[in-house]
Amino acid sequence: ILNVEQSPQSLHVQEGDSTNFTCSFPSSNFYALHWYRWETAKSPEALFVMTLNGDEKKKGRISATLNTKEGYSYLYIKGSQPEDSATYLCAFNTGGFKTIFGAGTRLFVKA
Amino acid sequence: DTGVSQDPRHKITKRGQNVTFRCDPISEHNRLYWYRQTLGQGPEFLTYFQNEAQLEKSRLLSDRFSAERPKGSFSTLEIQRTEQGDSAMYLCASSQIGQTYNSPLHFGNGTRLTVT
Repeated sequence: ILNVEQSPQSLHVQEGDSTNFTCSFPSSNFYALHWYRWETAKSPEALFVMTLNGDEKKKGRISATLNTKEGYSYLYIKGSQPEDSATYLCAFNTGGFKTIFGAGTRLFVKA
Repeated sequence: DTGVSQDPRHKITKRGQNVTFRCDPISEHNRLYWYRQTLGQGPEFLTYFQNEAQLEKSRLLSDRFSAERPKGSFSTLEIQRTEQGDSAMYLCASSQIGQTYNSPLHFGNGTRLTVT
């Protein structure tokens, strides 16, 4: 059974803090790792898709890294803002159409 | 790009009733997915369509669940004889032609089902 683990489950930070979350996935049969942001009452929104070991992606204050050999990815947020409050989901794909999601990390940023 | 739309946003039903949800994907996307998300869990795959063909159905989907995508456009998900355990957020997503593994999913806002 393929399992995607995310930690921590939830995180409370102050505005301006930098933070990071972890996603662990099986290192075999790896094709792609996706990160999504899911704000309350909205739809999950794709942040990054990473396919190569050592990939680093950046979008504004948010960045992600990928280690396929050891099976983990980190998501970093620099200088958190209240609008960053959301659930961050990572998802693993083994080459087909089925994407397996982790349970997410719920981020709360206090002004 | 009008996005993926789902209807209704919320549905409250009594146990034993049938419910049907609708998903309209992004028009140029040929792939459509249904996921289910319960509290504290990530979205779980239910089923996948490529155009009008249903290519995969999860074992999570009991025979009370059926999904269709006539003409390869909108899709419906029907749950017959609903049970309290069916209470969840039902998410629809679509993706465009290309490699399936690195095409991001475009999600709708979901339909939240509550079975009383």
